[in-house]
Amino acid sequence: DADVTQTPRNRITKTGKRIMLECSQTKGHDRMYWYRQDPGLGLQLIYYSFDVKDINKGEISDGYSVSRQAQAKFSLSLESAIPNQTALYFCATSGFSEPRSYEQYFGPGTRLTVT
Amino acid sequence: GESVGLHLPTLSVQEGDNSIINCAYSNSASDYFIWYKQESGKGPQFIIDIRSNMDKRQGQRVTVLLNKTVKHLSLQIAATQPGDSAVYFCAAHSGGSYIPTFGRGTSLIVHP
Repeated sequence: DADVTQTPRNRITKTGKRIMLECSQTKGHDRMYWYRQDPGLGLQLIYYSFDVKDINKGEISDGYSVSRQAQAKFSLSLESAIPNQTALYFCATSGFSEPRSYEQYFGPGTRLTVT
Repeated sequence: GESVGLHLPTLSVQEGDNSIINCAYSNSASDYFIWYKQESGKGPQFIIDIRSNMDKRQGQRVTVLLNKTVKHLSLQIAATQPGDSAVYFCAAHSGGSYIPTFGRGTSLIVHP
């Protein structure tokens, strides 16, 4: 079974719609992250959370919000989707023991298309 | 701020050749680096890491070299195989931060 799962895996939505992407993990990690990947631009951090009561904005948080419902669950919402939010979205966790405590473990991604 | 870049967006090699993927970083405070591999349709996966107190680290068929003087690291893959075809990212951490800066990625294409 996958350690980090993302739902849905693919989603097509219309401009103006609210959409939620969900992430669950069974790795027992405290730290969770949401990234966006566009072709040729690498991974851009949207939000991150180091524990249930900790939420932090990343470099591109505008237009997005998150909820850390539990240690194992971290959801990303697009309040009013727009076409330039079309991208591949990844959830990641970290929390391995030293010496690999910085290593991030990624989910399979959600491909979102906003028309 | 930190910027991490890769010199070549695409690298094509023949099966059996050695591959070298490069990465430059700008923040001299970067002290921990990770290489990730992203296969088509999957999330990035850890390959190898190196701390700034080292200049070389070897894994299975992979070697990472770090040159702090010129702020450059490379990933060398020996005897490249078709299964190595993927996008490779470097990520830099600074000052104990758990937040990395990722490079844009290099697409490695291995021809049989």
